[in-house]
Amino acid sequence: KAGVTQTPRYLIKTRGQQVTLSCSPISGHRSVSWYQQTPGQGLQFLFEYFSETQRNKGNFPGRFSGRQFSNSRSEMNVSTLELGDSALYLCASSLDRTSGSYEQYFGPGTRLTVT
Amino acid sequence: AQKVTQAQTEISVVEKEDVTLDCVYETRDTTYYLFWYKQPPSGELVFLIRRNSFDEQNEISGRYSWNFQKSTSSFNFTITASQVVDSAVYFCALSGETSGSRLTFGEGTQLTVNP
Repeated sequence: KAGVTQTPRYLIKTRGQQVTLSCSPISGHRSVSWYQQTPGQGLQFLFEYFSETQRNKGNFPGRFSGRQFSNSRSEMNVSTLELGDSALYLCASSLDRTSGSYEQYFGPGTRLTVT
Repeated sequence: AQKVTQAQTEISVVEKEDVTLDCVYETRDTTYYLFWYKQPPSGELVFLIRRNSFDEQNEISGRYSWNFQKSTSSFNFTITASQVVDSAVYFCALSGETSGSRLTFGEGTQLTVNP
C-alpha cells in the first residue's frame, strides 16, 4: 500500500504571496490532519478533515485554511505569507477520526521557505 | 489541556549501549492514547507504537521496548543495543477522548548513536 504523499516537497515563496499544499492519504484512510513543525514551536496541530468536513482546528490565524475532497485528498492554503510561516508542513492520515485511537501515518512533508 | 514533556533534549551514546528516552504526559481524559514517532533527517515521522490508557502492559518489539506507568504518567522508550541507524529525533505524543485525532507532541529528543 502506498504511503501518504505530499506535494510539492519544497517551496520558496515571497512575503505576501499565498501557497497551496497537497496531501494524498493512504488508500482507505478518511481522516487527514495537518501539522506545522518549526524549530521554535515544535510540532503543532493545524486542522483535521474527515469526510470533507473540518472536525478539529488548532490555534492558527484564519490565513491558514484547508479542505478535503471526496477522494479524501486534502489541500491546505496559507494566504498573505509571513516570514514566520517558514516551516515543515506535515500531513497525516488515519482510519478513524473520532476516537483518536488509530495511529496517524505521516507524509514526508513540504518544506516551505518564505523570503 | 494536554501536555507532553520530553525533558531530554539531546542524548549521545556509543553503539551497542542501551538508551532510554523519557516521556511524561498530562491529561484529564480518562481514555487517552500515547504514541512514539521517529523522525530521521529526511523529515518524515515514522510511527513506532500506540498504547491505550487502559492497557498498561509493557511491550517489546525487537530492540525496542516501552514502559507505560499510569501512576507516574510516564511512557518511556528503551532501545537496547543501539545502532547508528537509530540516530534520529524521537517524539512522544498524546491524544484523548476530548481531542479526537489531534496529537499533542513533546519537544522531541535528538538521539545520536556514535560508532
